[in-house]
Amino acid sequence: QQQVKQSPQSLIVQKGGISIINCAYENTAFDYFPWYQQFPGKGPALLIAIRPDVSEKKEGRFTISFNKSAKQFSLHIMDSQPGDSATYFCAASPKYSGAGSYQLTFGKGTKLSVIP
Amino acid sequence: DSGVTQTPKHLITATGQRVTLRCSPRSGDLSVYWYQQSLDQGLQFLIQYYNGEERAKGNILERFSAQQFPDLHSELNLSSLELGDSALYFCASSPEPWGTPLHFGNGTRLTVT
Repeated sequence: QQQVKQSPQSLIVQKGGISIINCAYENTAFDYFPWYQQFPGKGPALLIAIRPDVSEKKEGRFTISFNKSAKQFSLHIMDSQPGDSATYFCAASPKYSGAGSYQLTFGKGTKLSVIP
Repeated sequence: DSGVTQTPKHLITATGQRVTLRCSPRSGDLSVYWYQQSLDQGLQFLIQYYNGEERAKGNILERFSAQQFPDLHSELNLSSLELGDSALYFCASSPEPWGTPLHFGNGTRLTVT
């Protein structure tokens, strides 16, 4: 079964610090790796995504690092703020090649708390 | 606002009952996905519809069923409810069948008592 393993389960970071969340996958057919941010009472919202042809993607304070050979990718949040406190999910889906199943497989989530 | 609308926001019902959850996808999106979120299992994929037809099935119980209507809205039907069915149920939509990018609604919280 396709799996995406996410760690840590929870993370406490001081304001201004760097938050790092890691994910590992098994299926080499995975081709798209997004990160979602979820606030209490809301649905997950797409934060940033990467494809395996690049090793890093940066959007503002959020960076995805991707290691294809290790089958790992991570989310770095620079200068973490209390407003970043949320649950973060990594996910993966295979490359589209016609009929079949291409839904996102999610990690179990990381609850981030940024303390002032 | 993702543009995906789910109703109702909360649902409280008793064991053995049947409920229907409704989802309207973002304008122009043809693909609808249903996910179940529980504390210990994270986001579990249930089922996908694309332009009215079932596209993929995940960990969906036989007591659960779904459909997508010609106007592209979707309904998830849960029957013979058990306590363990209590969870958040999310609908998500995407323009194409491959699910990227995927936009989620704010979910329906189901409580079975």
